[in-house]
Amino acid sequence: EVQLVESGGGLVKPGGSLRLSCAASGFTFSNAWMSWVRQAPGKGPEWVGRIKSKTDGGTIDYAAPVKGRFTISRDDSKNILYLQMKSLKTEDTAVYYCTSDYGGCPWDWGQGTLVTVSS
Amino acid sequence: QSALTQPPSASGSRGQSVTISCTGTSSDVGGYNYVSWYQQHPGKAPKLLIYEVSKRPSWVPDRFSGFKSGNTASLTVSGLQAEDEADYYCSSYAGSNIYVFGTGTKVTVL
Repeated sequence: EVQLVESGGGLVKPGGSLRLSCAASGFTFSNAWMSWVRQAPGKGPEWVGRIKSKTDGGTIDYAAPVKGRFTISRDDSKNILYLQMKSLKTEDTAVYYCTSDYGGCPWDWGQGTLVTVSS
Repeated sequence: QSALTQPPSASGSRGQSVTISCTGTSSDVGGYNYVSWYQQHPGKAPKLLIYEVSKRPSWVPDRFSGFKSGNTASLTVSGLQAEDEADYYCSSYAGSNIYVFGTGTKVTVL
């Protein structure tokens, strides 16, 4: 059974930093393309970015609102996906989901971790 | 990249069908066959229903079907059941390794 468990969310002040983790199990993590998707309170999901598997080049792509501030990385030896967030803004407040991708879309989703950016 | 446009709400009686539209542009929905649909119950993570426009994962009943024509995709839920009451979101590949989601539709089962 695929399991994706996010952690690291919390309250942070504007301009601050936070690192989210996603522990993956139940599938071959190193072969998977992984994404982060966020959902602000009362809003629809918003794609944040994706990292391909190393065998597929390991390319990382980001949505425009987070490019230059967020960094996605992976540790295939530990089956963990990371999202390093810096220069956080109030509009980054959301539940952040980790997803494993297949068929050109986010396939399996974690339960999410809440990030609140507020002074 | 703008969000895909969905009607805010839709409803149908138990046993009937409801169809939700998802309108984009030729740069996303119309340009690629990578449209997906998700169901989200309150407080839960989205769950995949449809991928590549009309394909269903093994766990999704055939009451759910997807279609695309031009820049608009649609999701039909047939034989509405109480548990189908949820928010539904479409998503599409938008080129340049970017993805976009829809604005969401709240489905009410009467």
